[in-house]
Amino acid sequence: DAGITQSPRHKVTETGTPVTLRCHQTENHRYMYWYRQDPGHGLRLIHYSYGVKDTDKGEVSDGYSVSRSKTEDFLLTLESATSSQTSVYFCAISEPKGQSNTEAFFGQGTRLTVV
Amino acid sequence: GNSVTQMEGPVTLSEEAFLTINCTYTATGYPSLFWYVQYPGEGLQLLLKATKADDKGSNKGFEATYRKETTSFHLEKGSVQVSDSAVYFCALLLNDYKLSFGAGTTVTVRA
Repeated sequence: DAGITQSPRHKVTETGTPVTLRCHQTENHRYMYWYRQDPGHGLRLIHYSYGVKDTDKGEVSDGYSVSRSKTEDFLLTLESATSSQTSVYFCAISEPKGQSNTEAFFGQGTRLTVV
Repeated sequence: GNSVTQMEGPVTLSEEAFLTINCTYTATGYPSLFWYVQYPGEGLQLLLKATKADDKGSNKGFEATYRKETTSFHLEKGSVQVSDSAVYFCALLLNDYKLSFGAGTTVTVRA
């Protein structure tokens, strides 16, 4: 298994509170991603990073921010959690080797409930 | 934009039945195509992939062929087992290195 650790694995938080999810990798992969998984939507990209301090938005980035101060850690922050952000969040990593030789590895997921 | 459309589930089968999950895509360019599997309570694992037209990916008895003419990548298995019960996701990757996923298909195999 790829060395990806997400923390926490489960969290319940109140509406309006800030929440930070952490993804830690030991593979030294350049790209890191945050996805959310919701029924009927599959996985949707929130933000991704292509290097230290290099990040970009995905398709559902509103209400989320990210930071990557070192290769191994990618943090996802919900500045003020809302009930619509209740979801399962997955971190993924990849090391691009050309389009045909790149694959992504996923963490175990974080189940976040906003009440 | 880039998108992936999967057949809706859930799909319920008996053991040893034939499984097909349809997947079609829309992409600006020539994507690599993937099937990922998610077992209960776990993250996603790569099941198979194909990187160019007419390539066939295969793994664990599953197969999928990259059909450029129909923009499809249907997943098939000839004889499913209870252990194949999972959620299956079709995905594509372009040279921006961002995976785009379908909605997922839940498969339940009954003994």
